[in-house]
Amino acid sequence: GAVVSQHPSWVICKSGTSVKIECRSLDFQATTMFWYRQFPKQSLMLMATSNEGSKATYEQGVEKDKFLINHASLTLSTLTVTSAHPEDSSFYICSARSPLGPLHFGNGTRLTVT
Amino acid sequence: AQKVTQAQTEISVVEKEDVTLDCVYETRDTTYYLFWYKQPPSGELVFLIRRNSFDEQNEISGRYSWNFQKSTSSFNFTITASQVVDSAVYFCALSEANAGGTSYGKLTFGQGTILTVHP
Repeated sequence: GAVVSQHPSWVICKSGTSVKIECRSLDFQATTMFWYRQFPKQSLMLMATSNEGSKATYEQGVEKDKFLINHASLTLSTLTVTSAHPEDSSFYICSARSPLGPLHFGNGTRLTVT
Repeated sequence: AQKVTQAQTEISVVEKEDVTLDCVYETRDTTYYLFWYKQPPSGELVFLIRRNSFDEQNEISGRYSWNFQKSTSSFNFTITASQVVDSAVYFCALSEANAGGTSYGKLTFGQGTILTVHP
């Protein structure tokens, strides 16, 4: 079964609203999780590295005030897309690994902003 | 900076044909990991293989095989006797490793190759 759970699988929201996406490690503790974005027919691009108990590290060009990341516990990281706009419509996917274990990806969240 | 290039944007084959997906990478790290993932239309990433930079042995898993050539910075993936269910987007990815070579996580993905297998 899935070891990294991502919720919701898909979400439709209106322009200007905020959307929260959760990424949970189910049977291991993850001090670090990663958030990626994938536009249609494109590759996955790393947005940020989520660090438990400290601030996330954002990749160049990713607005930290727009994509809020909170890694409040060893099993949960959340990505909040604030004031979403149609151009934020994308597939968001997280990954996590235990210190000596393999890397696991969530099943992704398809966000559509109308 | 790390870079992964999958020059083949789309490949179309007929069932039972063999197909090779190319992957070329660039990195300044001496220790790194290479990956292949399959992404079906549903979107999830299906893990296929992880290989560290010190292990150049080729690997075979059923109909899948991988050829790692450090000298040419390539990590190619071959599907033998392709099947319709192999139709998907395939991504090659690269990750740096920590000093001990045991930790990785931040992946740089190639552009992906869309494989279509026709019956």
